[in-house]
Amino acid sequence: DARVTQTPRHKVTEMGQEVTMRCQPILGHNTVFWYRQTMMQGLELLAYFRNRAPLDDSGMPKDRFSAEMPDATLATLKIQPSEPRDSAVYFCASGLDAGRDYGYTFGSGTRLTVV
Amino acid sequence: DQQVKQNSPSLSVQEGRISILNCDYTNSMFDYFLWYKKYPAEGPTFLISISSIKDKNEDGRFTVFLNKSAKHLSLHIVPSQPGDSAVYFCAASAWGGSEKLVFGKGTKLTVNP
Repeated sequence: DARVTQTPRHKVTEMGQEVTMRCQPILGHNTVFWYRQTMMQGLELLAYFRNRAPLDDSGMPKDRFSAEMPDATLATLKIQPSEPRDSAVYFCASGLDAGRDYGYTFGSGTRLTVV
Repeated sequence: DQQVKQNSPSLSVQEGRISILNCDYTNSMFDYFLWYKKYPAEGPTFLISISSIKDKNEDGRFTVFLNKSAKHLSLHIVPSQPGDSAVYFCAASAWGGSEKLVFGKGTKLTVNP
């Protein structure tokens, strides 16, 4: 079964530290999303890429968050400096183009706790 | 401003009965709708979708109904099984430059044996 792999699964860090989350999309998928899940906001889109080019990062706090795709097999989401309000589950999802017939495939998420 | 709303945070049904999960949207540009299911400690998994040119799509025990005039869709699960217990997310997207999914906050379904 093809799947989206996210690392680490859990991360606890102190406020002010840098956090990097990684995602390996499904081979052949050209669209990659970063979502954040919180109790208050549900699933929010942070950023997404098509063919490694950023298409939309309007959901991301620009001063502290950055998202990149160094190559087709790796997407990263970085927070620097981290704050307690960043505590959430961060999901990566991948798909082929618009994925309208079958949706997008999500990874299992990275649970981030900033203390 | 929430564009996709799931007004029931939770729903409890008996095994074998019908589960109906509801979703409302406000953006008239949305033309594709999806339902995802999420178990604890896992990512959401795609369940079923519907295009705005249809009013019904069926896949086994799952049926999605779309009422465009009311900007409302619903997911029916018949018959409900204990393994269906999960959080269900409604999502929508608008064609024409933006394929990103806008999600509702989810409805937690509990199917009791």
